[in-house]
Amino acid sequence: GAGVSQSPSNKVTEKGKDVELRCDPISGHTALYWYRQSLGQGLEFLIYFQGNSAPDKSGLPSDRFSAERTGGSVSTLTIQRTQQEDSAVYLCASSSLWDIPQGHTFGSGTRLTVV
Amino acid sequence: AQSVTQLGSHVSVSEGALVLLRCNYSSSVPPYLFWYVQYPNQGLQLLLKYTSAATLVKGINGFEAEFKKSETSFHLTKPSAHMSDAAEYFCAVTLNQGGKLIFGQGTELSVKP
Repeated sequence: GAGVSQSPSNKVTEKGKDVELRCDPISGHTALYWYRQSLGQGLEFLIYFQGNSAPDKSGLPSDRFSAERTGGSVSTLTIQRTQQEDSAVYLCASSSLWDIPQGHTFGSGTRLTVV
Repeated sequence: AQSVTQLGSHVSVSEGALVLLRCNYSSSVPPYLFWYVQYPNQGLQLLLKYTSAATLVKGINGFEAEFKKSETSFHLTKPSAHMSDAAEYFCAVTLNQGGKLIFGQGTELSVKP
């Protein structure tokens, strides 16, 4: 696609429910990243994919968080048993891995509210 | 370990005045540096990047930044602020082409008429 697409744009869920957030990166971008943006914590790295593998998942805050990427394209971030502290904007980004760093191209984010 | 510090969580300027947003980094090797802008309810948009070529980098919307190794700084400037520049600005660093970005805490820019 022309840009990074994220869905849904907004999600309200009840505490304890599972949620899935989707990211469709720019076609041909081999690197995909998930970040979380919240008022108290700023922009935090969650996980990075190179192709379908995740060489760096050091930012996942707990084992309730997981992510996968299939076909070197779409990625899904899953949060199980959501808690109120999971409320944040989840941003996906992609980049072309083999060039001099061009910076990430970000999607518009998914705003997650846990009630 | 890499880190980024943005001095001033909020900066207010008058329309037409100079914009200066400060960013200092900490890195054991030469980094790659970026400035992003975020408008309300939108994702981040790349303003400009430093990748070890020219130390003075020009970006979109009239912004530029200068990499100063001796000061470990990468401050963002614009000679004349427009109302449309009001947004949040983030400085970020990475060490390699595949690496995650480490962001500063952001600076909210307000522009007064």
